Amino acid sequence: GAGVSQSPRYKVAKRGQDVALRCDPISGHVSLFWYQQALGQGPEFLTYFQNEAQLDKSGLPSDRFFAERPEGSVSTLKIQRTQQEDSAVYLCASSLAAREYTGELFFGEGSRLTVL
Amino acid sequence: KNQVEQSPQSLIILEGKNCTLQCNYTVSPFSNLRWYKQDTGRGPVSLTIMTFSENTKSNGRYTATLDADTKQSSLHITASQLSDSASYICVVSGVYDYKLSFGAGTTVTVRA
Repeated sequence: GAGVSQSPRYKVAKRGQDVALRCDPISGHVSLFWYQQALGQGPEFLTYFQNEAQLDKSGLPSDRFFAERPEGSVSTLKIQRTQQEDSAVYLCASSLAAREYTGELFFGEGSRLTVL
Repeated sequence: KNQVEQSPQSLIILEGKNCTLQCNYTVSPFSNLRWYKQDTGRGPVSLTIMTFSENTKSNGRYTATLDADTKQSSLHITASQLSDSASYICVVSGVYDYKLSFGAGTTVTVRA
């Protein structure tokens, strides 16, 4: 597709369930980011991939969060044993360049996770 | 402490009127500042990107200004339309910092 695609758009999980969120970036984009956006707040950095390499995962809030991009294209964010505080919109963004400093960053529409 | 502060938190304006949103940041050393528009339930979409040497940049009815000395930016919306109702997010990047610092956004509601 022409843009960044995320699925599912909406996910409701019971506390303790595992969830997997998918991001399909723009073809050829080297950089891929995951952000967490709480209601009424700006996005918060979770992790960064340059191709298949996860160069920075300092924003992942706990070891229940895991992200991968095994072939340098599609990425999956997995949350194990979900907690209510994990409820948020998870945004994926990609850019053509590595370590995006000044260029365009393209966002997907996000996956809204609600943990009951 | 958030390195990017936006004001006001929200505002309501009548269709056809102008408005100005503010962004103050402490990110240093500074590389660039971006303004994004985020419609409800959608991902952010870029409006403008400015480096430290740029003072103003326009995108249609949106005009962004930057004062790198005072670390302030503004986004001016001219002749607002109903479709301008959205959250506007200021994003600042430090030199060699790819993580980006996001403000909490200003929610703009345009009423007929």
